Amino acid sequence: ETGVTQSPTHLIKTRGQQVTLRCSSQSGHNTVSWYQQALGQGPQFIFQYYREEENGRGNFPPRFSGLQFPNYSSELNVNALELDDSALYLCASSPRTGSRTEAFFGQGTRLTVV
Amino acid sequence: GESVGLHLPTLSVQEGDNSIINCAYSNSASDYFIWYKQESGKGPQFIIDIRSNMDKRQGQRVTVLLNKTVKHLSLQIAATQPGDSAVYFCAETGANNLFFGTGTRLTVIP
Repeated sequence: ETGVTQSPTHLIKTRGQQVTLRCSSQSGHNTVSWYQQALGQGPQFIFQYYREEENGRGNFPPRFSGLQFPNYSSELNVNALELDDSALYLCASSPRTGSRTEAFFGQGTRLTVV
Repeated sequence: GESVGLHLPTLSVQEGDNSIINCAYSNSASDYFIWYKQESGKGPQFIIDIRSNMDKRQGQRVTVLLNKTVKHLSLQIAATQPGDSAVYFCAETGANNLFFGTGTRLTVIP
């Protein structure tokens, strides 16, 4: 087990709704990244948070937003849900930011948009 | 952006045999790589990493080889067990994120 926990594990939402996913990072880790994994694909980087600030973003629209809290836990918010947002959302915790840093994943939140 | 790809989408091996999973990367400036194992319904599990100043790194039953000349990575699993059945991803690091390929599904035949 990595010590990275995500909630909820499964979620069903209707198109147009908003959703908030949560992540608790591993003890001692100050960096949290979010990834979207569509069925049969590798994870795609959404954004990273370091010291409560966004520290890099992938090719996702502004309706994907996030927060990091002083205890380093994080939220991913998605507004105006679309059917294509259905995916496994993964949170990864790292001890620091930068390119030579290992990342440990939680079990993910399976989001289904209907 | 960078792309990380895998030569084979599926691999079937007999229990007890060795497995080799290959991965090509495109960014010659990448300096850190990670192999992940993902079982059904779970998040990716860190297996082993390697930095670009190394050619080989060994873990418990796993070995990663890095060939920077041809931008190729491989993951070798010794004495493959049924519990090794999963999708395996290689990932290369960007400035602050990981780039994943599609993955290879390893199936171990008892």
